[in-house]
Amino acid sequence: KAGVTQTPRYLIKTRGQQVTLSCSPISGHRSVSWYQQTPGQGLQFLFEYFSETQRNKGNFPGRFSGRQFSNSRSEMNVSTLELGDSALYLCASSLDGVRSGEKLFFGSGTQLSVL
Amino acid sequence: AQKITQTQPGMFVQEKEAVTLDCTYDTSDPSYGLFWYKQPSSGEMIFLIYQGSYDQQNATEGRYSLNFQKARKSANLVISASQLGDSAMYFCAMSRSTGFQKLVFGTGTRLLVSP
Repeated sequence: KAGVTQTPRYLIKTRGQQVTLSCSPISGHRSVSWYQQTPGQGLQFLFEYFSETQRNKGNFPGRFSGRQFSNSRSEMNVSTLELGDSALYLCASSLDGVRSGEKLFFGSGTQLSVL
Repeated sequence: AQKITQTQPGMFVQEKEAVTLDCTYDTSDPSYGLFWYKQPSSGEMIFLIYQGSYDQQNATEGRYSLNFQKARKSANLVISASQLGDSAMYFCAMSRSTGFQKLVFGTGTRLLVSP
């Protein structure tokens, strides 16, 4: 069974640009979550999608958005990039995201550098 | 709010020895789940072990065991017979036991296993 696939692996952008990151979950998984990992703030929850709907949202500005397609693939978009958006963005998938003790399966992440 | 504290930025252990990585938590939820994830240099977060707050026995998964002390609010990870491949960042995380399983992560502990 293929794992969670994130593309691209690395991205370099400049301030003010926008970026789109992609995540393909494990087949059969319907919940996709996004996390941001930085040296200063650690791992923080961005949002979660289930059945093409954003079901949960973390405390990030509106520049961070996402969507989920009917095949459960998800994209995350960051508009008007700031230097502080430089981070490893991790996508995680699970069956439905609400079962107690449910494992999250993570991808290898997209390393975004904003210059 | 939930909070995870990992006080060990780094740990060193010799191959084949056991090592304990500390994790304390704080939550007002009556039931919750505790996880440990491993993050090698590749970036992917790998699930290691899970403990539910009402589980009577400490969780074990192969060489990994979780020393759960509810009264002390601690959930330490014990790795027995360390291997070179265990060198990585280790994150303790918690979630609510019902509803969306958002993970709240600690700051992590870097483990280095020497020959």
